[in-house]
Amino acid sequence: DQQVKQNSPSLSVQEGRISILNCDYTNSMFDYFLWYKKYPAEGPTFLISISSIKDKNEDGRFTVFLNKSAKHLSLHIVPSQPGDSAVYFCAASVGGNTPLVFGKGTRLSVIA
Amino acid sequence: DTEVTQTPKHLVMGMTNKKSLKCEQHMGHRAMYWYKQKAKKPPELMFVYSYEKLSINESVPSRFSPECPNSSLLNLHLHALQPEDSALYLCASSQTGLPPYEQYFGPGTRLTVT
Repeated sequence: DQQVKQNSPSLSVQEGRISILNCDYTNSMFDYFLWYKKYPAEGPTFLISISSIKDKNEDGRFTVFLNKSAKHLSLHIVPSQPGDSAVYFCAASVGGNTPLVFGKGTRLSVIA
Repeated sequence: DTEVTQTPKHLVMGMTNKKSLKCEQHMGHRAMYWYKQKAKKPPELMFVYSYEKLSINESVPSRFSPECPNSSLLNLHLHALQPEDSALYLCASSQTGLPPYEQYFGPGTRLTVT
């Protein structure tokens, strides 16, 4: 039973345009959501997070939107750059230092 | 310093060998984690240590034995592994208690069991 779902295994975007990566979850107890970026043969790098009490969090080119009623979050990258090409994982937590639950990831390719 | 270091970077071992993976962080985090990641899959939690005590063991086979000698170090002792244990082993750390809950990952150890 997948509690965090990333239904698009891959996404291709032109440089300079917006990349939108989506994530859905089923567990209403999740209260914190995170996005990680992963290059091949490296560990995931934390990108941005959002608490369930917010609906938007922005950090530079990265914005995460949370729609609690739809149990959906999205990561927007504007403008997309070739260096953004990586696998992006959505993760969720019920709080404390309970384990993160990861989605299966979306491979983003930004084409120059 | 938001760095988690892991050694070795690559490890090839036979099924009868005993080896150890090491992880270190100096961020003052009191929660540390071992994950296993296979190609094209998300990280899969193996163990969680909180304040140097094992708090979660996700039904990992006993051929994997974690150890947390102090608040900065985390080891994973390997013995009699199987070829299907070949994967990227990731260590992570985080603050405990209140949010934020960001886990900071190390670069991983690429393990090949022959």
